[in-house]
Formats: sequence, C-alpha cells, structure tokens
Amino acid sequence: RKEVEQDPGPFNVPEGATVAFNCTYSNSASQSFFWYRQDCRKEPKLLMSVYSSGNEDGRFTAQLNRASQYISLLIRDSKLSDSATYLCVVNSYTGGFKTIFGAGTRLFVKA
Amino acid sequence: DADVTQTPRNRITKTGKRIMLECSQTKGHDRMYWYRQDPGLGLRLIYYSFDVKDINKGEISDGYSVSRQAQAKFSLSLESAIPNQTALYFCATSDLQAGTSYNEQFFGPGTRLTVL
Repeated sequence: RKEVEQDPGPFNVPEGATVAFNCTYSNSASQSFFWYRQDCRKEPKLLMSVYSSGNEDGRFTAQLNRASQYISLLIRDSKLSDSATYLCVVNSYTGGFKTIFGAGTRLFVKA
Repeated sequence: DADVTQTPRNRITKTGKRIMLECSQTKGHDRMYWYRQDPGLGLRLIYYSFDVKDINKGEISDGYSVSRQAQAKFSLSLESAIPNQTALYFCATSDLQAGTSYNEQFFGPGTRLTVL
C-alpha cells in the first residue's frame, strides 16, 4: 500500500461544476498536510495548507480527517484555468523528516 | 528573476557518465530538497538539507549524492548515470514557520534528464 494515495482520475467536469478530491495517508503520526497544483511540465506550486479545523480560500476548501486519515479538496464553480494535476502532500517528523507526495489527480475543466 | 533556479533545464547523457544538476535560491531559506518525478509515481525525495552542515537521505538516495555548497546552493550528482534515472528532477526550498510543523516548499522549474 502506498503511504499516500490519490485517485488518479482524470476528472472531466464542465465549467461551474463542483469537484472533490480525496487523499488517504497511512502514517498516523503525520503532522502537516498540503495541496499543491501542478500544470503540465511545470513545477508544483502550493495551493493550500490543510489545517485541522479545515480551511477555505475563495473557491477552494480543504479538510483534514485525522481519525480516518484522509484529506480532501473541494473546488467550487470550476474554471477552465483550474485544469491541472492536484497533488496531496503529507509530512511527518517522527523518527526523522518525511515528505510524501501523492501521485496526483488530473482535472480537466471543459467549456 | 526566479527565486529558485535549476541548471541545466534539459540534459541528455549516456550511461556511465557523471552528471551534476545545480540549484540556487534567493529566498534565504535554510532548507533545500531534491526530488525526482516519474509518470504515475509522483515526486519522490532523493536528499534534503536543513542547513549548510546537514545532509540527509530521502526515500530514493541510491545512485545519487549531493553537496550543499552554501545556504543558497544545493547540487545533485549522478556518479554513473543509468537509464532508469531518466526523469524530471526538481529542487525545492522551504523555511519552517515558527511554532508550527508547516513548511511550504517552493520549487525550481525542473531539469529534464535523459540517460541513453
């Protein structure tokens, strides 16, 4: 089992749709969580950190469920420019630093 | 100018050659990282350095070595390149937010390496 797992997709949605991605992690000692966005052949860029209480940034909402060991990303009112790959990232510091990237979920938003 | 730069951006080499990839940053961050990205596998950590005197192996360090020449410079070497080291390589930097375990990583543009 991979330490961090994501549905690879692709998710094909129309403009204006709401889409949700989940990411599960296996290390219960994980301490910090992130969603990154990666455009084709480009470097990943931070979309959001994910806090225990959940957090929102405009059309994007991130949630953390420690009991079930997953994080989620909700995108409302999808735009064409949201088309990208979304990577979840999980960090742990217990027993040494580890940062694990999920393989990513591909999103296509169409007009 | 970009905060994190990588050179070269593209490199084609032959099996057995020694290759060095370089990373420089102007963000003033202490922490630097090297990753490789392969299709379907996501980014995997090769080495990381939390300050100039600190070097740590990541998930997949075999066949690689690094040097932290200064706070701003972190280079990755492939001593004897092999074809399965063909990948997209990213350098990243971060600075730990005080009082938290959160550290946003800032990535360079990547180096596309092909080993024939």
